[in-house]
Amino acid sequence: KQEVTQIPAALSVPEGENLVLNCSFTDSAIYNLQWFRQDPGKGLTSLLLIQSSQREQTSGRLNASLDKSSGRSTLYIAASQPGDSATYLCASATGANSKLTFGKGITLSVRP
Amino acid sequence: NAGVMQNPRHLVRRRGQEARLRCSPMKGHSHVYWYRQLPEEGLKFMVYLQKENIIDESGMPKERFSAEFPKEGPSILRIQQVVRGDSAAYFCASQVGGRTQETQYFGPGTRLLVL
Repeated sequence: KQEVTQIPAALSVPEGENLVLNCSFTDSAIYNLQWFRQDPGKGLTSLLLIQSSQREQTSGRLNASLDKSSGRSTLYIAASQPGDSATYLCASATGANSKLTFGKGITLSVRP
Repeated sequence: NAGVMQNPRHLVRRRGQEARLRCSPMKGHSHVYWYRQLPEEGLKFMVYLQKENIIDESGMPKERFSAEFPKEGPSILRIQQVVRGDSAAYFCASQVGGRTQETQYFGPGTRLLVL
């Protein structure tokens, strides 16, 4: 049974800092790994999807990497802004049905 | 192209009542997933449906919960005889074809409160 862990649960950084959010998973037989953003009281917004055959994906100031052998993914946020404050969730898809197993998320606060 | 729509956004029920949650997938998407987010917990998979078929319901409680995705109309998650422990945010996600290369697009969720 897949388990996804995100540590720490919360992070506070000053504006402009580059930061790395970590995600680990126990079953390396994943089809893909996704990073989502969730704002308070809102739904999830997909940020990046990395297929199992890929090592990383980039979108703007975001870069996500995947290391299946070590069961880890990282989300790198460059030049953080207060608008980046949100909860960041990683999720892995295992099994042909693409159902996602989520971590509990990292709540990020970027201070002006 | 409207995103995934869920209604109601907030639902209050008393213990023993029924809750019906609706999800309209994105246009052209025929695959729907339901997830539940309990307080202080991560999102947990409940059920995966295609039009008129339940593909995987391994995450759904055996009693009181049911889901459908009819040929016409939204997907429905139904909770009978609700209890306080059912209070949670329920999210649905839709996908074009159920392939692992595809992103799941999430709706805004329905927040159920059981009094």
